[in-house]
Amino acid sequence: ILNVEQSPQSLHVQEGDSTNFTCSFPSSNFYALHWYRWETAKSPEALFVMTLNGDEKKKGRISATLNTKEGYSYLYIKGSQPEDSATYLCALSNSGGYQKVTFGTGTKLQVIP
Amino acid sequence: DSGVTQTPKHLITATGQRVTLRCSPRSGDLSVYWYQQSLDQGLQFLIQYYNGEERAKGNILERFSAQQFPDLHSELNLSSLELGDSALYFCASSPQAPRYEQYFGPGTRLTVT
Repeated sequence: ILNVEQSPQSLHVQEGDSTNFTCSFPSSNFYALHWYRWETAKSPEALFVMTLNGDEKKKGRISATLNTKEGYSYLYIKGSQPEDSATYLCALSNSGGYQKVTFGTGTKLQVIP
Repeated sequence: DSGVTQTPKHLITATGQRVTLRCSPRSGDLSVYWYQQSLDQGLQFLIQYYNGEERAKGNILERFSAQQFPDLHSELNLSSLELGDSALYFCASSPQAPRYEQYFGPGTRLTVT
């Protein structure tokens, strides 16, 4: 069983603040790491897929980094806006003959106007 | 709109019954994933198909089965339903797997009474 952990579980920040959260995963058999944004009453929306150690991806004010050797990924949001309020999920795909996808429990972000 | 469709949106049925959930992937996507989100749990990966073949299996019960048809749509069959099977079932698709973004459908809300 793969253990994908996200911290913190929840976070409240003021509008305009920058924030970051962590996804930790077992570094063995790494294949890909996904980040999703999940708003209440909607479906998860893909943000990034990262596959290589040292990968950095950016989409607007959101960026992510990946360290496969030590088993973590950071998601950063610069200048948080109320519309960034959502649960941010990371998901690990492992390599091997029978690949699985394991989701973390998410970080719930609330941006206070 | 992700381009992934799922039917039905809602389903209410009794214990012991059997239901079929349907998913149509985005045009051109070969890979389909099924996920379950129960009330007190995060997203749980059930199964993945790629171009008609089963590729990966997660925590899918023996009472559940799935298939992907030649036109690439997929069905998830749930039988001998129990109260605990009540959940939101998502389907996602991607061009290939698992190093590509997954696009989630709107989900099917199953209620077992």
